[in-house]
Amino acid sequence: DGGITQSPKYLFRKEGQNVTLSCEQNLNHDAMYWYRQDPGQGLRLIYYSQIVNDFQKGDIAEGYSVSREKKESFPLTVTSAQKNPTAFYLCASSIPGISYRYTFGSGTRLTVV
Amino acid sequence: AQKITQTQPGMFVQEKEAVTLDCTYDTSDQSYGLFWYKQPSSGEMIFLIYQGSYDEQNATEGRYSLNFQKARKSANLVISASQLGDSAMYFCAMREGRDNQFYFGTGTSLTVIP
Repeated sequence: DGGITQSPKYLFRKEGQNVTLSCEQNLNHDAMYWYRQDPGQGLRLIYYSQIVNDFQKGDIAEGYSVSREKKESFPLTVTSAQKNPTAFYLCASSIPGISYRYTFGSGTRLTVV
Repeated sequence: AQKITQTQPGMFVQEKEAVTLDCTYDTSDQSYGLFWYKQPSSGEMIFLIYQGSYDEQNATEGRYSLNFQKARKSANLVISASQLGDSAMYFCAMREGRDNQFYFGTGTSLTVIP
């Protein structure tokens, strides 16, 4: 079955370390997205990519980086420049068009220790 | 201005009763889509229902229906016959034709009381 796989489910990071969150989809979707969710909050867009080798900053891109070398993959790196990285991270994918919903991964919960 | 507004941070409903979760939106586009997602405590986002701006009928999916009032720019989710498993966060979202972005509301936490 097609879907989005995020890994790991839980991730612990020491202060000052970079960590990379994986997001892989086999839905053949062109667009992929990364969101951050803090407790009791909505989703905030970090980065998105509409096509391979191209991506754009979202509302809260500072301290994060991404790559889109393959259609199926859109990894997110949380760098040491991100001052408050503890959050729940959701990856999503879609195809263009107002009637097409996002398909989400199951999320990665990142905790700084 | 907020694209999607959900004014109810938390709601309680008795099991087997119906509940309405409010959502208003702001867009100047004529063509847009409205979505509702459910997020249980596990964190996954589950798609519930979709309404297109040109759809004349309100969307329904099982116990979920969307009360679409275009002139008022509202897209309220109605859950009938609430079940304990309906306890979750609910997010309203809109997708505009101009940029294909999704805009999410801040969510409503629903608790179903036995």
